Amino acid sequence: DIRMTQSPSSLSAFVGDRVTITCRASQNIARFLNWYQQKPGEAPKLLIYAASNLHSGVPSRFRGSASGTDFTLTISSLQPEDFATYYCQQSSNTPRTFGQGTRVEIK
Amino acid sequence: QVQLQESGPGLVKPSETLSLICTVSGGSISTENYYWSWIRQPAGKELEWIGHIDARGRATYNPSLKSRVTLSLDTSKNEFSLKLTSVTATDTAVYYCARDEGTIFAVVPFAFDIWGQGTMVTVSS
Repeated sequence: DIRMTQSPSSLSAFVGDRVTITCRASQNIARFLNWYQQKPGEAPKLLIYAASNLHSGVPSRFRGSASGTDFTLTISSLQPEDFATYYCQQSSNTPRTFGQGTRVEIK
Repeated sequence: QVQLQESGPGLVKPSETLSLICTVSGGSISTENYYWSWIRQPAGKELEWIGHIDARGRATYNPSLKSRVTLSLDTSKNEFSLKLTSVTATDTAVYYCARDEGTIFAVVPFAFDIWGQGTMVTVSS
């Protein structure tokens, strides 16, 4: 299985801060990397697909990038509705695998 | 607009079989190139992909669960289902169904773009 390692596991930030979450794949997955946002009691929502493509309806403050097996999700200016848990997920191989999640909390 | 809805018992006894259905509305489950997945999440933990089934009924399973899982498709009802046998407390989780399109030519390729709301399943006697 491809292991996805996210960091940090949690972070605290102020509204307006720039936030960066990283995800490292245990092997080459090309750009088959997706990012999801999950709020308590809700299903995950797709934010970014294929490493850097913004899903329809997702605000432009979310950005994804890739460098080799390292992937980054950046929120340029954190908004109150962005406090949630974020997951990366690889779709290069089966089984599909997710990172352990990064919880973004209010500071 | 395609929507997914999970249904099934919220409580299953240990050693019994967990059975869930995902009903698809607003689109056909028989559409080529779509994969219909089950994903679960124990409370406070990360997401685990259980497996997927394509429009032709070909299923791929997570090796960690393969011996206990069966996915199937019912095109007449536009739904797909999950059966997980010999459950234990470790199978207690929220179970989601989700869709992804398995071709690079898709609008949103190889990503879970549509999810059901999830259904909580507790394994307990």
